[in-house]
Amino acid sequence: GAGVSQSPSNKVTEKGKDVELRCDPISGHTALYWYRQSLGQGLEFLIYFQGNSAPDKSGLPSDRFSAERTGGSVSTLTIQRTQQEDSAVYLCASTKDGYSNQPQHFGDGTRLSIL
Amino acid sequence: GNSVTQMEGPVTLSEEAFLTINCTYTATGYPSLFWYVQYPGEGLQLLLKATKADDKGSNKGFEATYRKETTSFHLEKGSVQVSDSAVYFCALVPGGGSYIPTFGRGTSLIVHP
Repeated sequence: GAGVSQSPSNKVTEKGKDVELRCDPISGHTALYWYRQSLGQGLEFLIYFQGNSAPDKSGLPSDRFSAERTGGSVSTLTIQRTQQEDSAVYLCASTKDGYSNQPQHFGDGTRLSIL
Repeated sequence: GNSVTQMEGPVTLSEEAFLTINCTYTATGYPSLFWYVQYPGEGLQLLLKATKADDKGSNKGFEATYRKETTSFHLEKGSVQVSDSAVYFCALVPGGGSYIPTFGRGTSLIVHP
């Protein structure tokens, strides 16, 4: 597609359930990033993929969070045993090669609400 | 570590007023600097960028100059419009083998007719 696509756009679930968030980057982009945006906060880096590898997982807040990328394209972010503090907008971005002078292309995000 | 500091918002202006949103950074080496804009319900969009000292990025009437001596990248626009109302994020990517961006907390701009 023309841009980064994320699904679902909204997700409401009960505390303790698992959720999967999907990101489809721009075709041909090798670098993919996940961020969390909480109300009134900036963007919190979660994880970065170069191809299918994740050289930097330093931002994942706990072992309940995991992510994978297959075929150098689609990525899924999984949150197990969700907690209320996981409620946030989860943003995905991609860049062509991941070099520092390249801008990030963002999806519209998934708004996650934990009841 | 790397950090980006933006002025607190919201910034409230009347249409056609002059806009400045301050951004200062801390980074080792020579980072690339970016301004992104986020409209309600959407992801961030690149507004402009500068990749080396004294470069000026510009787009849609917005400008920012990469000032290494003051470690700043302030966003300016000479005459704002109601349609400029959004949240603006300053960001850096350090380079030198590290490609993880650091974002500021965002500054909300509200422009009244």
